[in-house]
Order: sequence, then C-alpha cells, then structure tokens
Amino acid sequence: AQSVTQLGSHVSVSEGALVLLRCNYSSSVPPYLFWYVQYPNQGLQLLLKYTTGATLVKGINGFEAEFKKSETSFHLTKPSAHMSDAAEYFCAVTSLRGFQKLVFGTGTRLLVSP
Amino acid sequence: DSGVTQTPKHLITATGQRVTLRCSPRSGDLSVYWYQQSLDQGLQFLIQYYNGEERAKGNILERFSAQQFPDLHSELNLSSLELGDSALYFCASSVDEGSNEQFFGPGTRLTVL
Repeated sequence: AQSVTQLGSHVSVSEGALVLLRCNYSSSVPPYLFWYVQYPNQGLQLLLKYTTGATLVKGINGFEAEFKKSETSFHLTKPSAHMSDAAEYFCAVTSLRGFQKLVFGTGTRLLVSP
Repeated sequence: DSGVTQTPKHLITATGQRVTLRCSPRSGDLSVYWYQQSLDQGLQFLIQYYNGEERAKGNILERFSAQQFPDLHSELNLSSLELGDSALYFCASSVDEGSNEQFFGPGTRLTVL
C-alpha cells in the first residue's frame, strides 16, 4: 500500500519569502511522486512530477521539489512567494507501473501575506 | 484548461435520489479516472476505466457505478444519495492505463440536501 503525509494543513508566508511544503511518502515499490495545486473552485493542476532520473525536478511557476529516497520525502519549494501562489497543494504518489491510482495527501493550504 | 470537461458544474439534489455525472477526457486519452474530494475523506480514488473496460477500483461505494462509452466519455452514477455523498467529484484522464500523468477536469460539486 502507498500513502502520503503532508505536514501542516496550513502554511503562512510573506510575499517574497521562501515557500516550503513538506511531503513524506510510503511505498513498497519505486514511487512516482507528484505535486498538484488547486486554486479556489478549480480542478487540480499538475505542478511537477518525479518518475525516474534526476531527483531535483522543476515545475511550473518557479516551483521545484527534490526526491530523497533515504528520507522518503518529496518537499516542494519556491525561493520567493508571490500572492498568486495562495492555493491548496496536494502531494500524491503512485506506483512505477500498472494501474495509476493516485494516492493523495490531505493537502496544505498556502497563505501568502503582503 | 486541461482539456478534460465535466458536466454539470454544480448539482443539488435530495437524499435518496440518483444523479449522473459526465466526463469527457482529453482528445486522444483512453483512460479515465474518478476521484471524490470531501472535507472528511480528502481526495480519494474511486474507479478507473481504460478504453471502455474497468481497470481498477478504489473506495467506491456499491451505490456508485461508472462506465466508459465507445466515444470514451465516462459517466459516474450515484444512487440512493446520502448527505455524506456531498463532495466535489473529479474526473481525470491519461493517454493510456500506464501513463503516470493525469489531467484533471474542473469537477462537479454535488450537494445532497
């Protein structure tokens, strides 16, 4: 079975500050890891993904995440927060092959203050 | 815009009723997934179809069923609705059943009164 834990249901940062959203996963097989963003009243949009290869992955809107197998983590970062980054962020895991059921974390709401 | 469309956008109905949610995948995508997002359960995978065939089942209630039609659109049928079924229902699609990238639609918000 696979699972994802997102630490912190809410994270508050000031505009221009570093954004760090934490995600730890559990998987008995090599994982595929994803970060999705959900803006109010909208669907989920893929920010970035890790499948194989380079462990530091870059996504849209200046976000990046690093896969650390030893720590079973896939934390999301952005050097400088923008007001438009305020949204809910979901980390998800699936397996390397087979049916691609995404298992989501509980989400982290990012609040950005001016 | 992900290219995945869902109708209706909002649905309000009463307990005991039956509703049908519709999803059209991105052009060329053969696999469709349904997810439920609720306050108490979070985002949960319900069911997956690939080219008309059921491929995987998640936490889908027996009162719920789905199908994928020859034109690849999918419908999620929810019956004997309960208050707890109120949620946002998302459809996602991917190129094939093994694809790791799913594209999500805007969702259907179901309110059961």
